[in-house]
Amino acid sequence: GENVEQHPSTLSVQEGDSAVIKCTYSDSASNYFPWYKQELGKRPQLIIDIRSNVGEKKDQRIAVTLNKTAKHFSLHITETQPEDSAVYFCAASIRSGGGADGLTFGKGTHLIIQP
Amino acid sequence: GAGVSQSPSNKVTEKGKDVELRCDPISGHTALYWYRQSLGQGLEFLIYFQGNSAPDKSGLPSDRFSAERTGGSVSTLTIQRTQQEDSAVYLCASSFAQQDTQYFGPGTRLTVL
Repeated sequence: GENVEQHPSTLSVQEGDSAVIKCTYSDSASNYFPWYKQELGKRPQLIIDIRSNVGEKKDQRIAVTLNKTAKHFSLHITETQPEDSAVYFCAASIRSGGGADGLTFGKGTHLIIQP
Repeated sequence: GAGVSQSPSNKVTEKGKDVELRCDPISGHTALYWYRQSLGQGLEFLIYFQGNSAPDKSGLPSDRFSAERTGGSVSTLTIQRTQQEDSAVYLCASSFAQQDTQYFGPGTRLTVL
């Protein structure tokens, strides 16, 4: 089955700086890669996703890049703000007309924005 | 509109008891997923439903776990003879179709004493 590795486990950056979180996946058939943000005690919330027919996607301060050949994808947050502090999870899944296996998640990155 | 809801929000039970967790997906969402999140860990996929059927149950941790969905809406996850290692937050998610964004519920925090 799919295996997703996520690094780093903890990331501390100064407010206003950029943050980058990296994930690798094992199953070359995976074609959908969402990123979720989870604040303490809250439910995971989708912040951005990318499908394998796209190499990069951007939404304001957040961008995701995908390298299918290397089987890795990254989350980039620019101009970080205190409210960006949370745990971020990457995930991968196989989306096809035949069915889906659910999302395989990385273990999460605790992002700390230092004022 | 209303999001995914789960009940109860918290459940404390004694080892060996059975528990039932409920998930109400977003209206119109045909796909429903169950995940488990242990303290400080990522999310572990358990099972998914497309309509009322669950094509793959291999993600369930043991035969003490079962899930059903009726009427293409509400789903229940049942854990029989609970063990301390079952303590976790159980999250439900739903999506409009198998290939679409998954929206998560608030979770049920299960504590087995």
